[in-house]
Amino acid sequence: DTGVSQDPRHKITKRGQNVTFRCDPISEHNRLYWYRQTLGQGPEFLTYFQNEAQLEKSRLLSDRFSAERPKGSFSTLEIQRTEQGDSAMYLCASSPMAGWIGYTFGSGTRLTVV
Amino acid sequence: GQQVMQIPQYQHVQEGEDFTTYCNSSTTLSNIQWYKQRPGGHPVFLIQLVKSGEVKKQKRLTFQFGEAKKNSSLHITATQTTDVGTYFCAGPGTFQGAQKLVFGQGTRLTINP
Repeated sequence: DTGVSQDPRHKITKRGQNVTFRCDPISEHNRLYWYRQTLGQGPEFLTYFQNEAQLEKSRLLSDRFSAERPKGSFSTLEIQRTEQGDSAMYLCASSPMAGWIGYTFGSGTRLTVV
Repeated sequence: GQQVMQIPQYQHVQEGEDFTTYCNSSTTLSNIQWYKQRPGGHPVFLIQLVKSGEVKKQKRLTFQFGEAKKNSSLHITATQTTDVGTYFCAGPGTFQGAQKLVFGQGTRLTINP
């Protein structure tokens, strides 16, 4: 296992289009997180899964955002009707079930909405 | 909501100089984590501190957790060009242990060789 994989690395889309990102966590990690990072800022929490259950969702996540983690493996983050303000780096991270020993982040998907 | 603040926002040093970044939380933390993000990269976990007053070292990096568990610092001795990047601290979303981390805005370190 080589770590957390995210696809695509870059996405350019027109305003109003829908986009979907994929994250493959480290296989033995039960917890999966989505964060968003804009230039010069720290990552902001979007949502969290424990296995297949979505247990927490940020108020930052409008109705246009939805995330899934079927079967507790990979996860997808969909943004509907994209807006220019959605342009950011979308980071996925995973961590083991027990203990706080840090997140392993993926390389991220950079979204540009034009 | 909980806030994690870091200062300074930017720091430029000559290679060989020391560097320190400070992290303050609006609430008491059960633990604090530090991450490093290289330019164009993603955050990479460095360390976790759990105990009040804890000090941990990783080669030239020294991490401290405050007695009140509301602040932390990262000190780099004799910086090298490989230290370039943004350093983030992060704390759990709630004191009792949380499902998410709240990140500071980071301190960006640049180094003049």
